[in-house]
Amino acid sequence: AQSVTQLGSHVSVSEGALVLLRCNYSSSVPPYLFWYVQYPNQGLQLLLKYTSAATLVKGINGFEAEFKKSETSFHLTKPSAHMSDAAEYFCAVSDTGNQFYFGTGTSLTVIP
Amino acid sequence: DSGVTQTPKHLITATGQRVTLRCSPRSGDLSVYWYQQSLDQGLQFLIQYYNGEERAKGNILERFSAQQFPDLHSELNLSSLELGDSALYFCASSVAISTGVYEQYFGPGTRLTVT
Repeated sequence: AQSVTQLGSHVSVSEGALVLLRCNYSSSVPPYLFWYVQYPNQGLQLLLKYTSAATLVKGINGFEAEFKKSETSFHLTKPSAHMSDAAEYFCAVSDTGNQFYFGTGTSLTVIP
Repeated sequence: DSGVTQTPKHLITATGQRVTLRCSPRSGDLSVYWYQQSLDQGLQFLIQYYNGEERAKGNILERFSAQQFPDLHSELNLSSLELGDSALYFCASSVAISTGVYEQYFGPGTRLTVT
């Protein structure tokens, strides 16, 4: 069965600092991995996805994530945090059966 | 705008009542998913439909039911409502981006408040 674990339900960074949100997955088949962002009172928006092409994936708003099979990880990073990055971030894994499994989310706070 | 629409945006109702939430997927998407998001439970998968057929079931209570109609819109019915059912309910649809690989798009959600 597929699952994802997001380490750290709350992460705080200073504006301009590196953002690192952690996601580890468990999958019995080659996974497809996704990061979503949710701003207050809004739906989830796809940030980026890994679908077995390049292991370093670039997404919107300057975010990127690296698929590391040996570590079963798909951590989300951004070199320099902006105030507008404050939101909830969800990691998700999918198998070829069109099923999606979401992590519990990480709330990112950006301190001015 | 993801292309997934949900109505109503907000719903306030009393305990014991029944409500229906509606979702229209993106044009051409055959799959519809329902999720419940509450403060203490996070994002919980409820149920998935594919082209009118139930495909997968998650943590959906027996008081809740859903269906997908021939025009592919879906409705989530919540009955005998309890205070704990207050939550954001999201609908998502998915599209195949390559063989066996799907991408989900979420609607803006319906905020249900049970008083």
